[in-house]
Amino acid sequence: EDKVVQSPLSLVVHEGDTVTLNCSYEVTNFRSLLWYKQEKKAPTFLFMLTSSGIEKKSGRLSSILDKKELFSILNITATQTGDSAVYLCAAWGGGSEKLVFGKGTKLTVNP
Amino acid sequence: DGGITQSPKYLFRKEGQNVTLSCEQNLNHDAMYWYRQDPGQGLRLIYYSQIVNDFQKGDIAEGYSVSREKKESFPLTVTSAQKNPTAFYLCASSIDDRPGLDEQFFGPGTRLTVL
Repeated sequence: EDKVVQSPLSLVVHEGDTVTLNCSYEVTNFRSLLWYKQEKKAPTFLFMLTSSGIEKKSGRLSSILDKKELFSILNITATQTGDSAVYLCAAWGGGSEKLVFGKGTKLTVNP
Repeated sequence: DGGITQSPKYLFRKEGQNVTLSCEQNLNHDAMYWYRQDPGQGLRLIYYSQIVNDFQKGDIAEGYSVSREKKESFPLTVTSAQKNPTAFYLCASSIDDRPGLDEQFFGPGTRLTVL
């Protein structure tokens, strides 16, 4: 059965800290991995990764995929209180009509 | 403004009642999805539709039904057969019907509570 496991499930840091969120996956015929940020309600898209070793960056956020070891990490540097959210990881296997989501990592950034 | 709307924001249902959650998008997307989110859980797929007048069951379709009569609309009915319907329901859409090749745009969600 396809699965995505995120760790840690919960994380509390202080503003300015750097955090690393982990996502491991086991998906048949893996094709892509997506990261979303869910602040209150609607998840918003962050990154889509398909190639191993190529870092995607957006401001203080970056993500990379390791297809050999079957995991991805999401890094957030110089965290701000606005980064507080649940970060969701999802993987897709080609030929499947659905994404497989992890349980999410709840990040709390304290001032 | 393009986007996805869901209504109502909050919904209370008595046991034994059917309720319908609305999802509308004006993004001209072909693919639409319904997810259920429980506390501390990821998103689980209920139903999806890749084109008008066609839809498929997801992982947890039992006790739910959908229709896709118009491209922009994908309502979800939670029937009395759904044993534990209290949850947060999210609707999403995407341009590509292969969900991992493009981002999904999500609506603001409906929180359903069974009294």
